[in-house]
Amino acid sequence: DAKTTQPPSMDCAEGRAANLPCNHSTISGNEYVYWYRQIHSQGPQYIIHGLKNNETNEMASLIITEDRKSSTLILPHATLRDTAVYYCIVRALNQGGKLIFGQGTELSVKP
Amino acid sequence: GAVVSQHPSWVICKSGTSVKIECRSLDFQATTMFWYRQFPKQSLMLMATSNEGSKATYEQGVEKDKFLINHASLTLSTLTVTSAHPEDSSFYICSAPDHTDTQYFGPGTRLTVL
Repeated sequence: DAKTTQPPSMDCAEGRAANLPCNHSTISGNEYVYWYRQIHSQGPQYIIHGLKNNETNEMASLIITEDRKSSTLILPHATLRDTAVYYCIVRALNQGGKLIFGQGTELSVKP
Repeated sequence: GAVVSQHPSWVICKSGTSVKIECRSLDFQATTMFWYRQFPKQSLMLMATSNEGSKATYEQGVEKDKFLINHASLTLSTLTVTSAHPEDSSFYICSAPDHTDTQYFGPGTRLTVL
């Protein structure tokens, strides 16, 4: 599976949009981009995933560049409860299924 | 999304004893489940893949005789830490893929070995 690069930490003001970048320059054509987050002392929570088109759900939006070498997770109106470590992971479907976690981005939402 | 549970949520045991952790998919079936370990201020590290009806597949460096995995049914996988020692103290997390192959994680089990 391709590796990802994320900034180690970011701050965001409560109520503002949080934009979390991820670089995955070696992504293969059949690999999806997945985002998870982990609030302290809990299991990771699935957020969103996509292949090449932008995706949106009730939690976030995922913007993938046309060359697929990078993506951005957008939390449109961050709240204090969004403070967590956010992981960007790339993997192909139905090929063993395992997720390999990097170090992620520690997002701190401040009042 | 799909729900995965773990039991117990935390456990304290004496050095040399064995501890069993259960992982259940509550509203879906999973032929494969995954076990991770996480030390403080570190990321999740994949330990093994649990396969229903066959042997687990362990990642490099993970002792299969120390971390016994049994995938008894399509909704249950267990991880047994045998002869636990203080260095095995960690946060153990399982995951399972639903029918869309999206992984859902359990809440984790905090193991403390005295």
